[in-house]
Amino acid sequence: DQQVKQNSPSLSVQEGRISILNCDYTNSMFDYFLWYKKYPAEGPTFLISISSIKDKNEDGRFTVFLNKSAKHLSLHIVPSQPGDSAVYFCAASEEGAQKLVFGQGTRLTINP
Amino acid sequence: NAGVMQNPRHLVRRRGQEARLRCSPMKGHSHVYWYRQLPEEGLKFMVYLQKENIIDESGMPKERFSAEFPKEGPSILRIQQVVRGDSAAYFCASSRDGQGYNEQFFGPGTRLTVL
Repeated sequence: DQQVKQNSPSLSVQEGRISILNCDYTNSMFDYFLWYKKYPAEGPTFLISISSIKDKNEDGRFTVFLNKSAKHLSLHIVPSQPGDSAVYFCAASEEGAQKLVFGQGTRLTINP
Repeated sequence: NAGVMQNPRHLVRRRGQEARLRCSPMKGHSHVYWYRQLPEEGLKFMVYLQKENIIDESGMPKERFSAEFPKEGPSILRIQQVVRGDSAAYFCASSRDGQGYNEQFFGPGTRLTVL
């Protein structure tokens, strides 16, 4: 039972353009969502998060949007840079629970 | 401020041997989480510990796997009698406390290969 789904295994974007990574979830008890970035042979690095009481959170080039009715969130990166090439994981947690439930990841490649 | 430390980074074991994976949380963090990543998959939660206590082990296999976080020293994930299916990357994360919304900070992982 995949409660957090990232349906695009890979995404290729030209440098300077916007990258949009998508994530869907099925568990209505999730109330906190995070995005992590992962380079090969390294651990995931926290990027940005959003709680369910908000529909948008912005931090520099990164913006996360949450659509609770659709159980969908997305990460926007603009402008995309070569260093953004990595695997991006969406994760979620329930209120009162500390464990994170991860999606399968999307491999983002930024082309020069 | 050192991040989450894990060792060894790579571990090779033969079937039937024991694997011990260590994790030192970030300074000031008292909560530790273990996740496993199988090839081409996302991270799967295994266990959540505070000092000397297991809080949530709902993701731990019922047999051969155990975890501890003693009062002194690192957290240990122990896998007894390893099998080929245990080959994976094991990540440890830590957070400051278990209240509210705490981002978890991950270590570099231990890549376990079972021959």
